[in-house]
Amino acid sequence: KNQVEQSPQSLIILEGKNCTLQCNYTVSPFSNLRWYKQDTGRGPVSLTIMTFSENTKSNGRYTATLDADTKQSSLHITASQLSDSASYICVVGDYKLSFGAGTTVTVRA
Amino acid sequence: AAGVIQSPRHLIKEKRETATLKCYPIPRHDTVYWYQQGPGQDPQFLISFYEKMQSDKGSIPDRFSAQQFSDYHSELNMSSLELGDSALYFCASSLDSGYEQFFGPGTRLTVL
Repeated sequence: KNQVEQSPQSLIILEGKNCTLQCNYTVSPFSNLRWYKQDTGRGPVSLTIMTFSENTKSNGRYTATLDADTKQSSLHITASQLSDSASYICVVGDYKLSFGAGTTVTVRA
Repeated sequence: AAGVIQSPRHLIKEKRETATLKCYPIPRHDTVYWYQQGPGQDPQFLISFYEKMQSDKGSIPDRFSAQQFSDYHSELNMSSLELGDSALYFCASSLDSGYEQFFGPGTRLTVL
C-alpha cells in the first residue's frame, strides 16, 4: 500500500479558477514534505518544501499547507494558468523519498 | 543556474542487452539519487550515493548496479534488460543527504 495517497486522481479547471489538491500520508517519521510539478516526460520540479513544524508555505500562486496531526497536506493553485497543466506530486521523506501517484491537472481556456 | 544533466535522454535497447545511464549532479552537490518511473506510475527509489559511497538502497534489481565517481557524476548500469525495465529513469542530486533534491530531465529507456 502506497504510503502517500493523493486526490483527486485528475481534475479539469478553467483558466483563472482556483483548485486544491489533497495529500494524505502514513510515512513517519519524516522531516520534509514536498510538492513537485511534473510535466509529461520531464523531471519533477520542486514547488514547496515544508518541515513537519510548518503549517503553510507559498511559492507564487502555489500555497501548500500541512497538518502533521492528521497527516494531511494540500496544494492550492490560485488563478490557474494554462501552463499549470501538469502532474502535481506530493513527496514525503528526507533522503529516500516516498512519492504519491500525483494529481493530473488540466487547465482549459 | 546549472541543473542536473542526464544522458542519454532517450535509449532504445533489445532484451538481454545492457545499458548505461549517466547523471551529472549540480556543481558542489555530493549526493545522487536514482529513481525509476514506469508508465503511469510514481517514481520508485532505486539507490543513492553520498560522497562516492552507496548511502541507501531501494527496489533496485540485482541486474542493475551503480556507482558514483570522484567528480560526483553517477552511472546506472543495467544488464540483461527485460521488457519491464522500460521506464523513465530520473537522477536527482542534493547538497548532502536530506537536503532538497533537484531532479534531472530523465532518461527514457525503451526495451524492445
